[in-house]
Amino acid sequence: DAGVTQSPTHLIKTRGQQVTLRCSPKSGHDTVSWYQQALGQGPQFIFQYYEEEERQRGNFPDRFSGHQFPNYSSELNVNALLLGDSALYLCASSRLAGGLPTGELFFGEGSRLTVL
Amino acid sequence: LAKTTQPISMDSYEGQEVNITCSHNNIATNDYITWYQQFPSQGPRFIIQGYKTKVTNEVASLFIPADRKSSTLSLPRVSLSDTAVYYCLVGDGGAAGNKLTFGGGTRVLVKP
Repeated sequence: DAGVTQSPTHLIKTRGQQVTLRCSPKSGHDTVSWYQQALGQGPQFIFQYYEEEERQRGNFPDRFSGHQFPNYSSELNVNALLLGDSALYLCASSRLAGGLPTGELFFGEGSRLTVL
Repeated sequence: LAKTTQPISMDSYEGQEVNITCSHNNIATNDYITWYQQFPSQGPRFIIQGYKTKVTNEVASLFIPADRKSSTLSLPRVSLSDTAVYYCLVGDGGAAGNKLTFGGGTRVLVKP
């Protein structure tokens, strides 16, 4: 059973460019959340997708957008990259529908973005 | 979302028990308490979750007093591989989804 997979694992961009990161959730999961983790900091919640809609959003500008596909996979897009966007971007999946409420998230290994 | 406060770092030795206490004074009635472990350049990994009293699994125990304003993660007989950052999170894991707020975490260093 594959866990959460993310691609690419590493990438380098320059300021002003745009980036797309991809995530496939764990089998059986229907909810995908994205987190940004700067070096030495805890992960910060960006947004969450369920049923192909953004359900919740953290304190991130509109440059950060996303999408969820019918197969539950998801993309994170960041436009007009800034140096401060350099971070590890983590995708986490969970199952929102059915069962008992749970805060258990399954995280991928992340995509390390460097903005020069 | 309830804010959490936990020690920045802790040192321990192999074979000892490590206890990390997290404060969450404004925890809401429907909030769960969840702990995650994170190794460098990896995504966090779920350790344990609880609502009240005591929860135990194969890797840790979670103690939650009656007022739920704090919780203690207990790692029995730690090994070098338990060196990691441990995050305490409080949030509604139900209908509101799994939007969880990570704090700075506690860096645990296990020494030989």
